[in-house]
Amino acid sequence: AQSVAQPEDQVNVAEGNPLTVKCTYSVSGNPYLFWYVQYPNRGLQFLLKYITGDNLVKGSYGFEAEFNKSQTSFHLKKPSALVSDSALYFCAVRDYDQSGYALNFGKGTSLLVTP
Amino acid sequence: DAGVIQSPRHEVTEMGQEVTLRCKPISGHNSLFWYRQTMMRGLELLIYFNNNVPIDDSGMPEDRFSAKMPNASFSTLKIQPSEPRDSAVYFCASSRTDRGTEAFFGQGTRLTVV
Repeated sequence: AQSVAQPEDQVNVAEGNPLTVKCTYSVSGNPYLFWYVQYPNRGLQFLLKYITGDNLVKGSYGFEAEFNKSQTSFHLKKPSALVSDSALYFCAVRDYDQSGYALNFGKGTSLLVTP
Repeated sequence: DAGVIQSPRHEVTEMGQEVTLRCKPISGHNSLFWYRQTMMRGLELLIYFNNNVPIDDSGMPEDRFSAKMPNASFSTLKIQPSEPRDSAVYFCASSRTDRGTEAFFGQGTRLTVV
């Protein structure tokens, strides 16, 4: 069964420092992985995705993610965090399910960036 | 495109009443997803459709929940009868059917059952 796991409920980082939000996956075959962000009282917004190719994927707002097949991970990263990056972050996987491609999310990681 | 449109944004209803949530997906998207978000359970996939056909409804919690997609531009999620534990934010999302495409979310409907 396809799934992703986010081992941290919350990540705290000081503004200007690098941040990492962790995600591991479990899928059969090649994974199709996504990161989303949710700001308070808003829907989820797409940040970036890994389909194939380069293991380092760049996305919106300066975020990037590194796909590591041997560690089955897809960690979200940013070189220098901003206070405005504080939000809820979700990792997701899309895999074949019956007759379509379901999109399943991890439980989310709350990122808090302090000034 | 205006994005995925959900209505209403907020709904407060009494236990036992029927509740209908509505979603208009992005034009041209063939996949539609319904999710429920709570503090306890996170983001749960309830059901998804491909080309208006329900593919997997294993996430629907009980028979009280039902979803329809009568055409490519409209879907409903109905709860009948509603219970306080149904209180949550319900999201609709749409995408193309390609496995590598991302989904776009609506703003959600915050349901409170009292």
